[in-house]
Amino acid sequence: GQSLEQPSEVTAVEGAIVQINCTYQTSGFYGLSWYQQHDGGAPTFLSYNALDGLEETGRFSSFLSRSDSYGYLLLQELQMKDSASYFCAVPYQGGKLIFGQGTELSVKP
Amino acid sequence: DTAVSQTPKYLVTQMGNDKSIKCEQNLGHDTMYWYKQDSKKFLKIMFSYNNKELIINETVPNRFSPKSPDKAHLNLHINSLELGDSAVYFCASSHGGRAADTQYFGPGTRLTVL
Repeated sequence: GQSLEQPSEVTAVEGAIVQINCTYQTSGFYGLSWYQQHDGGAPTFLSYNALDGLEETGRFSSFLSRSDSYGYLLLQELQMKDSASYFCAVPYQGGKLIFGQGTELSVKP
Repeated sequence: DTAVSQTPKYLVTQMGNDKSIKCEQNLGHDTMYWYKQDSKKFLKIMFSYNNKELIINETVPNRFSPKSPDKAHLNLHINSLELGDSAVYFCASSHGGRAADTQYFGPGTRLTVL
């Protein structure tokens, strides 16, 4: 079977750093994706890690450890607009995306 | 210039009715998808099409029938609507169907079945 586990909610203050973890159990693995979804909005792509290590894109970074079946999304210099749900997802050939249940991030002033 | 568009944005209907949701992408992508997001925000793939051909059908009831008239369009028709069909339906597209291909989502259609 395929399953992804991530915390249901995280709270942090503006300017802080927050890490959202994701562990996965899948049959076959190509990489780990992260998507952001604001309330009432569409999921939007943030990052994709196919190889172990850290990928940095501006304030957001994503990490993958294939041997640990684990990844995380790191958000730095948090801003109020970062309040959203964050989903880890495992993609398969054919484009099928299996999503985690999402982590709701609340950024407080 | 909207990349992936869906109509309608909201759909409220009675149980037993038949309804359709339309999706169009202007990204020149070959692959399109339908996802369902339930009230707990869980996103689950329903179908994917590559160049008008059905690639993935994720054990969705056969009341749901996707149709792709061309690779820029993927519509979803739902027969005999049930209360449990209430959800947000997202269309998405990607360049191809490879694992590394980024998926671009439409704004969603919020379906409410009364």
